[in-house]
Amino acid sequence: QVQLVQSGAEVKKPGASVKVSCKASGYTFTSYYIHWVRQAPGQGLEWMGVINPSGGSTTYAQKFQGRVTVTRDTSTSTVYMDLSSLRSEDTAVYYCARPSISARDFEYWGQGTLVTVSS
Amino acid sequence: QSALTQPPSASGSPGQSVTISCTGTSSDVGGYNYVSWYQQHPGKAPKLMIYEVSKRPSGVPDRFSGSKSGNTASLTVSGLQAEDEADYYCSSYAGNYNYVFGTGTKVTVL
Repeated sequence: QVQLVQSGAEVKKPGASVKVSCKASGYTFTSYYIHWVRQAPGQGLEWMGVINPSGGSTTYAQKFQGRVTVTRDTSTSTVYMDLSSLRSEDTAVYYCARPSISARDFEYWGQGTLVTVSS
Repeated sequence: QSALTQPPSASGSPGQSVTISCTGTSSDVGGYNYVSWYQQHPGKAPKLMIYEVSKRPSGVPDRFSGSKSGNTASLTVSGLQAEDEADYYCSSYAGNYNYVFGTGTKVTVL
């Protein structure tokens, strides 16, 4: 069965960076894009970006361009999301998600990783 | 890319129907048949309920249905049940590998 398992919660100071991992299993890693979506406390879902694990190409939401980097390691079927210059507004649960065969949705989700930015 | 507009809340009694709207633009909802809907219970990851405007993934009850007209998509939950009480989000493909989510709607079963 498809599983996306994310790394654990993080506490970071303003200005620092955080790297969240998402390990995929149960399917061919290079066959499906992986997205990152975040949700601030009590707020809605926000799409951040996507990677094609096959070639490594990425697309980021304009809001995060210059601050987010998504990479992958095909040897371990793991995708990483690096967010830099953290500020308090980046406190959120970060999810990785994989689409269905339609490729334009988010069918499988990781369990989420809480990133807290606090001085 | 601005968030798609959803009503903050919707409610209905058990057995009734509730419809949630999701309004975007011709660059997202109106431009592609790639609208999806998600159910999220507190503290849980979202769950895909509808994809490609009106298709249901395996295991999603047929009480859930989706449609689209112009720049507005809709999710209807028929025969409301207590477990349908949750937050619902729409999402749309917006071209060039970009996506956008709706503002979210809290559904209350009275």
